[in-house]
Amino acid sequence: ETGVTQSPTHLIKTRGQQVTLRCSSQSGHNTVSWYQQALGQGPQFIFQYYREEENGRGNFPPRFSGLQFPNYSSELNVNALELDDSALYLCASSRQGMNTEAFFGQGTRLTVV
Amino acid sequence: AQSVTQLGSHVSVSEGALVLLRCNYSSSVPPYLFWYVQYPNQGLQLLLKYTSAATLVKGINGFEAEFKKSETSFHLTKPSAHMSDAAEYFCAVSVDTGANSKLTFGKGITLSVRP
Repeated sequence: ETGVTQSPTHLIKTRGQQVTLRCSSQSGHNTVSWYQQALGQGPQFIFQYYREEENGRGNFPPRFSGLQFPNYSSELNVNALELDDSALYLCASSRQGMNTEAFFGQGTRLTVV
Repeated sequence: AQSVTQLGSHVSVSEGALVLLRCNYSSSVPPYLFWYVQYPNQGLQLLLKYTSAATLVKGINGFEAEFKKSETSFHLTKPSAHMSDAAEYFCAVSVDTGANSKLTFGKGITLSVRP
């Protein structure tokens, strides 16, 4: 059983640029959620994807967008990067159903300069 | 809306001592509660979860937590700390019965273990 994998592990971008982060969900999981973890803070929920559609969103602006593919992998896109977007971005996969739990990837460290 | 409060940002214990990390939650509906651990430059690993079955939940690495509805608490304990327990610990709440991945996290507690 493969775990949740994210790529790249580290990334440096310039303010105003766009970035795409990728996540492969764990085998058997059909739901992917994305989180932003600023330094010294707890993760904050960005959005969730299920059946290739957004299924809930946190308090993040529209320049944060995502995709889910038929194989349940997912992308997080951030446009017009700002310095405050510097953070660890975590992907979590799970499956729909009672008594489930989310499994996290190791994250992508994004630095905006 | 739900929320989580983790009291104190840093806890330091001696190796072999009791570990107690506090978590209080707020939720308008019966919650699902989780404790995750994060080692430096790593993702989150699930320690244990409460999903309305037994109120005393046992997790990995000797950790356990007790759900107390009257106190809206879900404190994490371990009888004897080990050096390898040094990490960041996050309490989280979910009211998402779909996939339990719309989590609201606390700010985290850094656990240090002294030799």
